[in-house]
Amino acid sequence: QQQVKQSPQSLIVQKGGIPIINCAYENTAFDYFPWYQQFPGKGPALLIAIRPDVSEKKEGRFTISFNKSAKQFSLHIMDSQPGDSATYFCAASKWNAGNMLTFGGGTRLMVKP
Amino acid sequence: EPEVTQTPSHQVTQMGQEVILRCVPISNHLYFYWYRQILGQKVEFLVSFYNNEISEKSEIFDDQFSVERPDGSNFTLKIRSTKLEDSAMYFCASRDLAYEQYFGPGTRLTVT
Repeated sequence: QQQVKQSPQSLIVQKGGIPIINCAYENTAFDYFPWYQQFPGKGPALLIAIRPDVSEKKEGRFTISFNKSAKQFSLHIMDSQPGDSATYFCAASKWNAGNMLTFGGGTRLMVKP
Repeated sequence: EPEVTQTPSHQVTQMGQEVILRCVPISNHLYFYWYRQILGQKVEFLVSFYNNEISEKSEIFDDQFSVERPDGSNFTLKIRSTKLEDSAMYFCASRDLAYEQYFGPGTRLTVT
């Protein structure tokens, strides 16, 4: 019930391509869905997040699509660059005193020049 | 831009020893967290802390773990008697009244 499943585990695209990373969740109490970017040896950095009252959110080259009925959300990176090569984690949480994040398994993205 | 800081960046300890990992959350944040990430795996929640008490903890956070906010700026994670399987990156995170959690750079704990 608490799991967040992420796919694919790894992804290789050419520069300018549009990688898409997908996540699915079971717990309908989740009401906040962030994406984090992590470079080797660094902490996760918040990239973009969405609440279930909207179906899409765009910030710069990053877009989250959210499908509440399917309990799925995805990250699209437009015009991907080699500097976007990193591991991406989706996560989910529900509003309570703790607001703990449940993370997906991560996607290692490589953008080739 | 304010950020979460953590010290040390790398801690090596022997099995059975106590370690304290330190974090300075973003100054106006009210909620504090510890997560861990075993090499190559996903980030896992350990504990959340608000108003000077634990608000939620995972089953990983057993009696060997404790957290403390000893003053107005530091937030610490203590592991009383380390085990080999405690080797991981430990991340501190903090947030204000909004949802967004901001992570520190992590402490790599190696237990030998």
